[in-house]
Amino acid sequence: GAVVSQHPSRVICKSGTSVKIECRSLDFQATTMFWYRQFPKQSLMLMATSNEGSKATYEQGVEKDKFLINHASLTLSTLTVTSAHPEDSSFYICSARPPGQGGFGYTFGSGTRLTVV
Amino acid sequence: KQEVTQIPAALSVPEGENLVLNCSFTDSAIYNLQWFRQDPGKGLTSLLLIQSSQREQTSGRLNASLDKSSGRSTLYIAASQPGDSATYLCAVQLQSSASKIIFGSGTRLSIRP
Repeated sequence: GAVVSQHPSRVICKSGTSVKIECRSLDFQATTMFWYRQFPKQSLMLMATSNEGSKATYEQGVEKDKFLINHASLTLSTLTVTSAHPEDSSFYICSARPPGQGGFGYTFGSGTRLTVV
Repeated sequence: KQEVTQIPAALSVPEGENLVLNCSFTDSAIYNLQWFRQDPGKGLTSLLLIQSSQREQTSGRLNASLDKSSGRSTLYIAASQPGDSATYLCAVQLQSSASKIIFGSGTRLSIRP
């Protein structure tokens, strides 16, 4: 089946530094990938839609200059949290839909636990 | 604005019991609805997907129903096992935007041995 790989699974960084999270579709090409954020005991909230070869589409309230998204190839999207602060500590998860999937068909990565200290 | 609500927020039952998790959504114009399982600190595992034209889907001990007109879905788990302990999320895909998925806040299920 379709697999989405996300790396790293856990990262701890100092406040003020930047962190890059990678999302790869391993056995399919994804022109669109999605980035979600999940705070403790809350649900997943869509942050942005990553589009291969063009700018990402951000949801209302998400700072595009803080959460930089690059989708340079059909199998890789990256999310960079710039100048991270403790309030950015969260669980970040990406998803993509293999081509030809009816309905949902979305496959999710295993997530990245970011802790900013 | 589509809102997805899951009740209860947490549930603890003894092993072997049958149980029902509830999901409601405010806008019936959905493309489809999906139930996921999330283990602590992990990603999502897709359990069942129900197209908007369908009323239910079954997989093993799981059965999900969909009543679009009333904005409700249920996930029925038969003969629960400790390994079923996890957070269960329902999510709707909007009809107006084929890519957007709205998640409920989840039900944390604990099955006591």
